[in-house]
Formats: sequence, C-alpha cells, structure tokens
Amino acid sequence: QQQVKQSPQSLIVQKGGISIINCAYENTAFDYFPWYQQFPGKGPALLIAIRPDVSEKKEGRFTISFNKSAKQFSLHIMDSQPGDSATYFCAASMLQGGSEKLVFGKGTKLTVNP
Amino acid sequence: DGGITQSPKYLFRKEGQNVTLSCEQNLNHDAMYWYRQDPGQGLRLIYYSQIVNDFQKGDIAEGYSVSREKKESFPLTVTSAQKNPTAFYLCASSLFNYGYTFGSGTRLTVV
Repeated sequence: QQQVKQSPQSLIVQKGGISIINCAYENTAFDYFPWYQQFPGKGPALLIAIRPDVSEKKEGRFTISFNKSAKQFSLHIMDSQPGDSATYFCAASMLQGGSEKLVFGKGTKLTVNP
Repeated sequence: DGGITQSPKYLFRKEGQNVTLSCEQNLNHDAMYWYRQDPGQGLRLIYYSQIVNDFQKGDIAEGYSVSREKKESFPLTVTSAQKNPTAFYLCASSLFNYGYTFGSGTRLTVV
C-alpha cells in the first residue's frame, strides 16, 4: 500500500516529441504528488507537483495529469529537448506520525535524441 | 542562498572502517532525511529526523547510524556492519508537506 509504481523504466524520444511517464499508487491517504528530475551525479530537484483536488497542472513544457479515481498520475514533457535527458522520479506524500513521508517510484531514465 | 550541503562529494572506505557523511542545511527545515540510491533501485530511506535529538529508522537502517544534535546538521555514519556500502547517498530536508529539497549527494566506494 505504500508503493508507487512507475513506468517505463527507460524511455527514448526524438527531439520535439512528447515524453510520457506514468505512476500508480494504492494508498488513498497520499495527498501530494511531486515529480523530481535528476541529472547524473546530482541530487534530485523538484520539477512540478500536484495535489489531488486538481486534475492537471502545467508549468511550461511540463504537465502533470492526475486521475484520482484510477489512482494514477503521469508526467508529460512536450517538445522534448536533449537537455531534458535525465532520470525522473514520481513520488507520493502523506502525513504520518506528524511528519511528511515521501514514497518514490523507481525512476525512469529519459533519453532525448537530437 | 539557502540549500543543503553534502560533503565530501566522493568518499572511499576500506573494509571494516566506519565513515561519516556530512549534511548541513540552512533552510530552517525541521525534518531531514537520508536516502541511498543504487542503479535501478530508486531511492531507499535509511533514517529520518523530525526534530533535534530525535530520529527514526527507515526501510534500510541496518549498518547505519545518525545523530541530530543541531537543527542544521544530520550526519550519517556508515559502519563496518554495512556489508554493501557502495552507493550514492542523498540527504534531504523538508518543510511541512511541501516536498523535499535534496543535497548534491556523496558517492561512497569501498576499496
């Protein structure tokens, strides 16, 4: 119930294409869903996040789609660029014992070919 | 600029040796976390601390120890009991339900 399942494990997209990464969760107590972007040798950085009271959030080329009934959410990267090549982690957060607990998916390695 | 500083960036450990990884934050965050990252495994929680002088085990705490004597600092010790310590270690902090801020990581290698 604490898991977040992420797919695909790796993704190759041509420059200008759309990258789509999917995540699913079981625990309905999760109330915050961030996406992190990680470049090799660096720590993950918060990319975009959504709360379950909205179905979509867009920031530039990055969009989160959220389906509360299906317990699924996805990241769409429009007009993908070689600079977007990185590993992307979805996560789900909830309050537990007075503190925030973040559960991560296993990551998707995105490669955008020029 | 506020942020999280991890040091050293690279660390080499001999068999049977304890090593300590440093994590300092100036974000005034109460909660701090240590994660281990292995290829294909995602991020696994080692220890976390909500307040000074208090910390809890995460999913893979065996062979590790922590302390939280100051709000700004949360060092991680990898003990000789950790049989497979080679990994990328990430420290993070959070402000109540606003997601985590990560450091740039320490890569530990057993030699």
